[in-house]
Amino acid sequence: DIMMTQSPLSVAVTPGESASISCRSSKSLLHSDGITYLSWYLQRPEKSPQLLIYQISNLASGVSGRFSGSGSGTDFTLKISRVETEDVGIYYCVQFLEVPYTFGAGTKLELK
Amino acid sequence: QVTLKESGTGILQPSQALSLTCSFSGFSLSTTGICVTWIRQPSGKGLEWLADICWDDGKGCNPSLKNRLSISKDTSNNQAFLKITSVDTADTATYYCARVSITPYYFDYWGQGVMVTVSS
Repeated sequence: DIMMTQSPLSVAVTPGESASISCRSSKSLLHSDGITYLSWYLQRPEKSPQLLIYQISNLASGVSGRFSGSGSGTDFTLKISRVETEDVGIYYCVQFLEVPYTFGAGTKLELK
Repeated sequence: QVTLKESGTGILQPSQALSLTCSFSGFSLSTTGICVTWIRQPSGKGLEWLADICWDDGKGCNPSLKNRLSISKDTSNNQAFLKITSVDTADTATYYCARVSITPYYFDYWGQGVMVTVSS
């Protein structure tokens, strides 16, 4: 199975500041079709996960432009600019390259 | 508007079978490129992908549960089903179903989840 390692596991951010979350995969997520199958999800407290970003850097419909993704191969980063109250929750990276699809352990974002 | 809702047995005893239904609207499982997937989350823990079933009846399954898990669909009634046999306490979790778009590939709409407890 592809292992997904996130860091940090928790981060406290002052509203208005930025936050970055790292995700590393145990295998390159670049498929032979040229697509990198890495997505990011946010699970707000007591809610279902919601899609933020797919294929490294593509913003899902309706997601704030304050979210951005970058990276390649095995190293990826989610950046949240101007953090707001609604950004609180747990962020997960996930690989869709091969079965079983695997999630990172999650990064909990809290406000200072 | 796409919606999904999970339903099924809430409390089970060890060795029983878990059966869940995902009822959805706003899309069809006969549409090319659409699948439904199941993910679970033990309380306070992370997400584990379980299985998916697609428009062409293609299926994928997590090998860690392969011998105990089955997935099926009823396209006419907009439902997908998950069954896990011989459950034990490790199967206690909130179970989610989600719609899958394969081009590009992601889980875009999720149900609210249904809590399943395995306890003697």
